[in-house]
Amino acid sequence: EVQLVESGGGLVQPGRSLRLSCTVSGFTFADYSIIWFRQAPGKGLEWIGFIRGRSYAGTTEYAASVKGRITISRDDSKNIAYLQLYSLRAEDTAMYYCSTYTTAFYAFDYWGQGTLVTVSS
Amino acid sequence: YVLTQPPSVSVAPGKTAKIACGGDNIGSKSVHWYQQRPGQAPILVIYYDTDRPSGIPERFSGSNSGNTATLTINRVEAGDEADYYCQMWDSSSDHPGVFGGGTKLTVL
Repeated sequence: EVQLVESGGGLVQPGRSLRLSCTVSGFTFADYSIIWFRQAPGKGLEWIGFIRGRSYAGTTEYAASVKGRITISRDDSKNIAYLQLYSLRAEDTAMYYCSTYTTAFYAFDYWGQGTLVTVSS
Repeated sequence: YVLTQPPSVSVAPGKTAKIACGGDNIGSKSVHWYQQRPGQAPILVIYYDTDRPSGIPERFSGSNSGNTATLTINRVEAGDEADYYCQMWDSSSDHPGVFGGGTKLTVL
């Protein structure tokens, strides 16, 4: 069974950084891209970045809204993907999800349950 | 590229719900649809315009032509009440594409 589990969320002060983890099981992690989404309270889905699988050398892409403040990485030996977000602002408050696609290009068929990040002093 | 969805759609149980997703020449792109119930992660319900993932009821179908993609839910049930998001993916790009703002489906 495919599972993605996010962790690392919580209350963070403005200006600080956070690192979220996405622990994956049930498929050959190294072969698949991992995408990070976020969803601000009452708002829609926003992809913020992704990291490709080993066939594409683990290259990354970031959304313009967070570029310069984000790093996504992966540890294929541990089946974990990471999201680091820097210089946090109140508008980064959101539920953060990791996801992947296994059947069709960029059709995200597996999602984690999400981890909530609240940026507040 | 902007995808436009109506903020809300209401339908009585047993009837048919149609949720539109408008975009410039969207018919030439691929569209995926997601259902998100309150407090839950999204679920893929339609991919590549018309295909249904395993486990998604046949009541869910999709179409895409011209400037509008449409998610159709036949014989709507109370459990279908959720937010629905469309996503446009351009096969010429190696990129997740654009998401619509979401439509809240209310079952009356």
